[in-house]
Amino acid sequence: AQSVTQPDIHITVSEGASLELRCNYSYGATPYLFWYVQSPGQGLQLLLKYFSGDTLVQGIKGFEAEFKRSQSSFNLRKPSVHWSDAAEYFCAVGSPRGGRDDKIIFGKGTRLHILP
Amino acid sequence: DGGITQSPKYLFRKEGQNVTLSCEQNLNHDAMYWYRQDPGQGLRLIYYSQIVNDFQKGDIAEGYSVSREKKESFPLTVTSAQKNPTAFYLCASSPFQGSPLGGVFGQGTRLTVV
Repeated sequence: AQSVTQPDIHITVSEGASLELRCNYSYGATPYLFWYVQSPGQGLQLLLKYFSGDTLVQGIKGFEAEFKRSQSSFNLRKPSVHWSDAAEYFCAVGSPRGGRDDKIIFGKGTRLHILP
Repeated sequence: DGGITQSPKYLFRKEGQNVTLSCEQNLNHDAMYWYRQDPGQGLRLIYYSQIVNDFQKGDIAEGYSVSREKKESFPLTVTSAQKNPTAFYLCASSPFQGSPLGGVFGQGTRLTVV
């Protein structure tokens, strides 16, 4: 069965520091992979996605993620965080088969705190 | 502009009442989804629909019902059978089931049982 693990519930970094949020998935083949961001009381916004090709994916707001098949990981990175990046981040897995029972599975999220 | 509209943003319900959450999209997407979000639980899938007049249970469908009579609408009813309905509910859509484009989300409805 598909599953997504985000090992860190909370992460705190200083403004201007680099960031890496971890995501590991379990799936029989190469899935579609997504990172979403959620501000308090809001919906989710798609940061970036991977479904084929270059394993380093660029997204919005200066984020990038790298797909590593050997480690079943899709970690999110940003070279220098801004106070406005404080939010909750969700990694998600989707099936490329597109069948009737296919669905997107979300991790439990990582809340990012920024120190001034 | 195209997008997903959830209404209302806040909803209060008395115990024992049914309540319906609205979700409308004008993106011409075939697939629509309902998620429930609780602190520390992430997003859990309630129901999803690939096409009109067809839908499937997700991981936590008990106490909920849906309909998909129109492509653009996917309302969720929280019934009195749902034992702990207080949560944040998110609706999403995607071009089709299993789309590599991921989902587009609404702004959510916060339901509180009083």
